[in-house]
Amino acid sequence: KNQVEQSPQSLIILEGKNCTLQCNYTVSPFSNLRWYKQDTGRGPVSLTIMTFSENTKSNGRYTATLDADTKQSSLHITASQLSDSASYICVVSSQSSASKIIFGSGTRLSIRP
Amino acid sequence: GAVVSQHPSWVICKSGTSVKIECRSLDFQATTMFWYRQFPKQSLMLMATSNEGSKATYEQGVEKDKFLINHASLTLSTLTVTSAHPEDSSFYICSASSYEKLFFGSGTQLSVL
Repeated sequence: KNQVEQSPQSLIILEGKNCTLQCNYTVSPFSNLRWYKQDTGRGPVSLTIMTFSENTKSNGRYTATLDADTKQSSLHITASQLSDSASYICVVSSQSSASKIIFGSGTRLSIRP
Repeated sequence: GAVVSQHPSWVICKSGTSVKIECRSLDFQATTMFWYRQFPKQSLMLMATSNEGSKATYEQGVEKDKFLINHASLTLSTLTVTSAHPEDSSFYICSASSYEKLFFGSGTQLSVL
């Protein structure tokens, strides 16, 4: 069964600290993996998209990694800011059909001053 | 600018009335559109997947006669909440997909009185 599991479910860290969010998937055949940031009351916004051959991709203070062999991805946030408080969603697409897009349940990140 | 436009951003209606939410892909033709519902502090819940020109596929537990989805063109999908009740109050989000593209709308906050 195609699944995407994210951990932790929620996380609280102090402003300025780093953190890493995890995403494990069983989607096959794999096409790409995306990380989204969703602010409360807003639609998700794309942070990164990674294909099978990409191991790491950065977007400012956000760095995503992908290990296609172990089917794991991480999103690392450096020097966190209060505006980083949001839900982070991992989305994995299957190669066979555009309609096979599996969502993780997200990690709720709270940054405390 | 927004690649997927969702309208309205918020709506308040009386119990028993119907509400229509529009989702438009602005810069590309979306072969597949998705509709989600999200309750406060919870993750996105996929309601249905629709491919242009065909009937939507609803997730288990989502009433197709209650949530009418139309995807008549490659740039427009609509979700109609029929005979809305207070328990239908939620944040509704659409997303549009085509090949490697996947973008979300900004969401619609529905409040049923």
